[in-house]
Amino acid sequence: DQQVKQNSPSLSVQEGRISILNCDYTNSMFDYFLWYKKYPAEGPTFLISISSIKDKNEDGRFTVFLNKSAKHLSLHIVPSQPGDSAVYFCAAKAGNTPLVFGKGTRLSVIA
Amino acid sequence: DSGVTQTPKHLITATGQRVTLRCSPRSGDLSVYWYQQSLDQGLQFLIQYYNGEERAKGNILERFSAQQFPDLHSELNLSSLELGDSALYFCASSKTSGLTDTQYFGPGTRLTVL
Repeated sequence: DQQVKQNSPSLSVQEGRISILNCDYTNSMFDYFLWYKKYPAEGPTFLISISSIKDKNEDGRFTVFLNKSAKHLSLHIVPSQPGDSAVYFCAAKAGNTPLVFGKGTRLSVIA
Repeated sequence: DSGVTQTPKHLITATGQRVTLRCSPRSGDLSVYWYQQSLDQGLQFLIQYYNGEERAKGNILERFSAQQFPDLHSELNLSSLELGDSALYFCASSKTSGLTDTQYFGPGTRLTVL
């Protein structure tokens, strides 16, 4: 049973436009959420996180939104750049329990 | 570069064999985590060690075992290998294991079982 779901396996966006990556979760105990980016032949790299006490966290071009009632979070990248092309993983945890990852969304930013 | 190192980068072996994957955490990190990523799957948590002791266990098979040594490096042992064990194995480390502790991932070891 997948507790963290990324329903879009892939997404294509034009350079300069907004990329929106979505993630749904089922475990209401999750209280911390993260996004990781992964390039081929490399390990995942931490991008941005959000605690369940917030509904938005921003870091430069990256903003994560959390909707607890819908058990949904999204990552917005504005403006998208070709270097953002990668696989993005959503992850969640409850307290000090291990991270639970989604299957990832492959983002392609087209110049 | 995350500061987490994993060796070897690639490993090709036969069914029934045993292999050892090695991970060195970032300097100062006490927690080490192991993950498996099979084709088209997300990262599946296997096991966590904190300062030499097992802290959490995920869906790790009985044929797999791990340990963390006094110098904090960790090894993941996979035995009686099957074709389905072919995957990317990632190690990650963090300072402690607290809620907001960021995990930093190594580049992974690609295991191919023939």
